[in-house]
Amino acid sequence: AIQMTQSPSSLSASVGDRVTITCRASQDIRDDLAWYQQKPGRAPRLLIYSASSLQSGVPSRFSGSGSGTDFTLTINSLQPEDFATYSCLQDNSYPYTFGQGTKLEIK
Amino acid sequence: QVQLLESGGGVVQPGRSLRLSCAASGFTFSIYAMHWVRQAPGKGLEWVAVISYDGNKKYYADSVKGRFTVSRDNSKNTLYLQMNSLRAEDTAVYYCAKDRASFGIGEIDFWGQGTPVTVSS
Repeated sequence: AIQMTQSPSSLSASVGDRVTITCRASQDIRDDLAWYQQKPGRAPRLLIYSASSLQSGVPSRFSGSGSGTDFTLTINSLQPEDFATYSCLQDNSYPYTFGQGTKLEIK
Repeated sequence: QVQLLESGGGVVQPGRSLRLSCAASGFTFSIYAMHWVRQAPGKGLEWVAVISYDGNKKYYADSVKGRFTVSRDNSKNTLYLQMNSLRAEDTAVYYCAKDRASFGIGEIDFWGQGTPVTVSS
């Protein structure tokens, strides 16, 4: 199975900051990567698909980049509602695999 | 609007079985692949299984292969997960989730609220 290594596991930032979260795949997954946001007690929400495509309804401060094995989620100008856990998912081959998650906390 | 409502979770003893259901509405269920994803308490997300729009293709995580079976009834807009030989490590919230692309299998774009499963004696 493809392993997804996500970093950092946790991150402290302030409102207005720019943050970057990284996922690295153990083998080439082209651009078959999605990013999700999850708040406590809630279902995950799709933010980015195909590595860099913004899901409908998601604010433009979220962006994704990368291909092959290295991927990045960037959040510009953090808003209070952005403090949550973020996870990547590779959908290149079965079994699908998630990164272990990044908890974004308020500094 | 898309709605996915899971049911069937609960407390079950190790070695026993449980069947989860997911009632879908707000979209054309029969043209989308559907997934199951779980999340153990305090842990990250784990993909469990996917079934193609027509039920002909099914794929599983290694951790559940041979024990879990995914199925669907397009006439009832319902997804199922039959879980046999349950183990303590299967304890999690189980999410039903919709694939983003019609007639294919790709990423997940919408999730239900989940149903909790606890495996304990």
